[in-house]
Parts: sequence; C-alpha cells; structure tokens
Amino acid sequence: EAQVTQNPRYLITVTGKKLTVTCSQNMNHEYMSWYRQDPGLGLRQIYYSMNVEVTDKGDVPEGYKVSRKEKRNFPLILESPSPNQTSLYFCASSFDRSSYEQYFGPGTRLTVT
Amino acid sequence: GESVGLHLPTLSVQEGDNSIINCAYSNSASDYFIWYKQESGKGPQFIIDIRSNMDKRQGQRVTVLLNKTVKHLSLQIAATQPGDSAVYFCAENTNNNAGNMLTFGGGTRLMVKP
Repeated sequence: EAQVTQNPRYLITVTGKKLTVTCSQNMNHEYMSWYRQDPGLGLRQIYYSMNVEVTDKGDVPEGYKVSRKEKRNFPLILESPSPNQTSLYFCASSFDRSSYEQYFGPGTRLTVT
Repeated sequence: GESVGLHLPTLSVQEGDNSIINCAYSNSASDYFIWYKQESGKGPQFIIDIRSNMDKRQGQRVTVLLNKTVKHLSLQIAATQPGDSAVYFCAENTNNNAGNMLTFGGGTRLMVKP
C-alpha cells in the first residue's frame, strides 16, 4: 500500500530535550516536506526537500532541522524543543516539486512542557 | 484521534442535504487550487483540484467553483453523508523560482447530522 508513515504518533517531552520525528514514504517520491498545523493557522510549511541531499526552508523553519540522506526518509529534528513547538506535525510527499498533489502522513502530536 | 483545532468555522448540515464550503484566497497569481479533506486522526487527503483558467470542475458528488474576480473558491458536496464529516481545507498554488508552493487556508469543519 502506497503511504507516508510517521513515528511517533504522539510525543510528550520537556523543553530542551532533543527529539526526532521520522517520516518515510514508499512511493519513490522525490519531493518531501514537513508542515505544522495549529488552530486557526492552517498548515504551514517548515522545510522541504526536492531530492536526496537537497533541503530548503519553508515558511516557519526556526527551531527545526531536517536531513535527506535517503530518498524514502525525511526526519524532522528539534534540537532544543520549546513549548511554542507544541503542535500537530505532518509529513507529505509528492512525485516531484512540480506535482501538485501531495500525500500526507497521519500526523504526530507533539507536546513540549 | 487528532483534532485540528478548536476554533474552526463550522458548517452543520442535515444528511442528504447539499453542503457548500467557502474559501477566500490571497494571491491573484495563484495558478492552481486544491481542496483537501481531513478526518479525525488522519492527514489531509486530496479531494479535487482546479486550474486558474477554469471556473468549475466536477467530481463524484463534489464540485469546485472558482471566482477569480473576488478570489473565492467553493466546494459543493451533493447529498452529504455522515462520512463527509471532516475538516476541509483549500490550498492555493503559486509558482516561484523554486517551483510550486502550496499555501493552505485555516479550514472549515463540516458536521453532518443524521
């Protein structure tokens, strides 16, 4: 089954404790991205990657890092999480940067206390 | 499941009625628009799209209307069913130097009463 998977689905952590949210897709898509979703603000793009070893900032990249060492994986790294990063995070992928249709993962609910 | 927010506009309709969900977009240069459906506990799912050179596009039970004059997009769902209950997002695509960029609206919660 073609899908985007994220782990963990739920995470509660404390300020300053480094964490990684993994994202994997099995569709051989070139383009992957991370979004956060907050009440009243919709989906905002954090980082995106057009291919292996190619990443770029989205609208709200501060406090986040990403890497793209393999085509299928695109982990989101929070080196020193803060409470304002409490949010619902989605990973998405599409065939390439010019493809409009993105496939979304199930989401990761992160709470930083 | 995951909730997408407590402060979303909500549309409540009776099962079997038609639903109309509206969206205002911001960029007159946007060339492509998409409607997504997000059910509780899931990520957004593509429903239907429309290019900026069209006014209307129909799918199965869904129709998207585009009014570029007032930068307005609507999603019509015919014979709304309980399974249509979800949050609906519009997204506009703008092409910049790096390629396509999607900007999402805040979403509307659709509740279907049996």
